[in-house]
Amino acid sequence: DGGITQSPKYLFRKEGQNVTLSCEQNLNHDAMYWYRQDPGQGLRLIYYSQIVNDFQKGDIAEGYSVSREKKESFPLTVTSAQKNPTAFYLCASSRPGQGDEKLFFGSGTQLSVL
Amino acid sequence: AQRVTQPEKLLSVFKGAPVELKCNYSYSGSPELFWYVQYSRQRLQLLLRHISRESIKGFTADLNKGETSFHLKKPFAQEEDSAMYYCALNANAGGTSYGKLTFGQGTILTVHP
Repeated sequence: DGGITQSPKYLFRKEGQNVTLSCEQNLNHDAMYWYRQDPGQGLRLIYYSQIVNDFQKGDIAEGYSVSREKKESFPLTVTSAQKNPTAFYLCASSRPGQGDEKLFFGSGTQLSVL
Repeated sequence: AQRVTQPEKLLSVFKGAPVELKCNYSYSGSPELFWYVQYSRQRLQLLLRHISRESIKGFTADLNKGETSFHLKKPFAQEEDSAMYYCALNANAGGTSYGKLTFGQGTILTVHP
């Protein structure tokens, strides 16, 4: 099944702990994104990357970090500085084009605080 | 800054009735707008994009620049249309850009038998 794979499906974080969410794609897409989904707030962009070794902050980057060492992989670390990490996290990818390219989404990771 | 507003969190209709999911936006540039859908236990996926002027699963959406709206419509709703619908705007439209999207809050559509 090609596409975007997120793992784990469920993740629990203790106070003061950093946790990393995995996102892998085999679509050969240049661009990858991390969104946070909260009830009643829709999706908000955390970080995005247009190309390997480059990434940019989105609208709610504080308390998060990312890396893009490989085209296929865009892991998201939720640091202890993120005070309200409980949310559903979605990774997506796209092939940059003329602005009408579509996003392909993973199945998501539900992060909860213990 | 761009903004997308979906005024209805919940929308319920009966099977066979017309349905309209509202979406309004604010953006100073030329917008590229999309509707994404998330069916139960499935991934979020693109439903349609305004630039394609397409009809997908009987849904259409027309960009109204005067009213800054991109409402999603279907003349006869089906039970399988029940899902979460998100309106989204591309803030970097035009030229060689990428899909950095601003999403609305989402509308949960329930179609009753």
